[in-house]
Order: sequence, then structure tokens, then C-alpha cells
Amino acid sequence: NAGVTQTPKFRILKIGQSMTLQCTQDMNHNYMYWYRQDPGMGLKLIYYSVGAGITDKGEVPNGYNVSRSTTEDFPLRLELAAPSQTSVYFCASSSWDGRVFIQYFGAGTRLSVL
Amino acid sequence: QQQVKQSPQSLIVQKGGISIINCAYENTAFDYFPWYQQFPGKGPALLIAIRPDVSEKKEGRFTISFNKSAKQFSLHIMDSQPGDSATYFCAASNVMGGTYKYIFGTGTRLKVLA
Repeated sequence: NAGVTQTPKFRILKIGQSMTLQCTQDMNHNYMYWYRQDPGMGLKLIYYSVGAGITDKGEVPNGYNVSRSTTEDFPLRLELAAPSQTSVYFCASSSWDGRVFIQYFGAGTRLSVL
Repeated sequence: QQQVKQSPQSLIVQKGGISIINCAYENTAFDYFPWYQQFPGKGPALLIAIRPDVSEKKEGRFTISFNKSAKQFSLHIMDSQPGDSATYFCAASNVMGGTYKYIFGTGTRLKVLA
């Protein structure tokens, strides 16, 4: 049981390039999330999904796109990368039994846009 | 109304001492308040969480105190150990769009001296 796996761990992009951050989970969770974490700041929600085929915007969706074709995978797409997108990106999935809600985070992708 | 204010930004405690981190929120609709622990290079991990129907929750050396009228909650780490050195994030949320969407505090970097 690997939990939430993110790839790559590190990436440097040039301004205007695009890339996809991969996220997969093996816990059969319906809910998945993408956050960004900037230095000295808390995590900000970019997009989330409540199940395959269903996605919605979070606090900071501009410049990003997501898709959810399977329960396991939730890739984040950056189009036309900008320096403002330099950040650490975390993917998470969650379980909820009606009382206890837990988000499980991946180890993160550190992205620099130069 | 969606902010969660966390203090202090950083904290240094002697081994065996008590670490206290505070958070305040504005939105009275929030009904779930977790604390996450993050070690360098890792994703956040759930430490402990509380709902507003109780004023205190204890798990081992970690205690959440919750003051609903003041809209504040705090994390107490008793008998702090060097292994507790990490960044701690509080969060607040309520169910929206079928899931909890966290609003995170800005984090507290805790260092416990041996």
C-alpha cells in the first residue's frame, strides 16, 4: 500500500513551457486534491475531485487544469508556466467515515519556473 | 472570513517543555479543525483533529483546546521532544461540494532543543 505517489519530485521549467504533475493513490479514495505551498505560507487548494469525471476549482485555480478519468489518478496540468507558479505542489486523497476525515498527502513536487 | 490566523511563526522549546501553537478563525460555519505535522521534504500528516462539540481532545502528548465563543483553538505538545521538531499547520473546514475543503494557517516552525 504505497498511499499517494507524486512524480516527479523536482522539476525546473522555463517560462512558457507546460508540464503535467502526476498523482496516483492506491487507497480507492473518491476524493482527491491538489495544493500548492509557498514559503512561509499554508497550503492553498488549487483543484479537487469528488470522484472520477468530477472536478472543481479551489482557491487558486488560475493557470492550472486537472482531469480525473480514473479513481486512482489525478494529474495537474500547467500550461504556459510562469514564475508565480514556482512552488511545492502536494496531491492528497481523503477518506471519511462520517465522523473522521483524514487527508493523506504525497511527498510533493518542487517546481521552479525560471 | 475564510482566513485562519496562526501564531507564532516559529517556536523554540527546550526538551521536556510545553509547546503551544494558536489559531483563530472567523467563519462560524467551520466545523472541523485538524492539525497537521510536516517534516522537511515530506507531505503534511494528520496529527489530531477536533469538532466544536467538545472543548478538548487529547491523544498522547498532543492536546487540542477549542474555544468556540472566541473562535480560537490551540495545539499543546506536552513533554516536547527533539523528534517533534517540524512545521505544524492548523486548518479549519466545513463540508462544501461533498467534501471538506481546508483553509490552512500559515504554519509554525517548531524546534525542540535537546
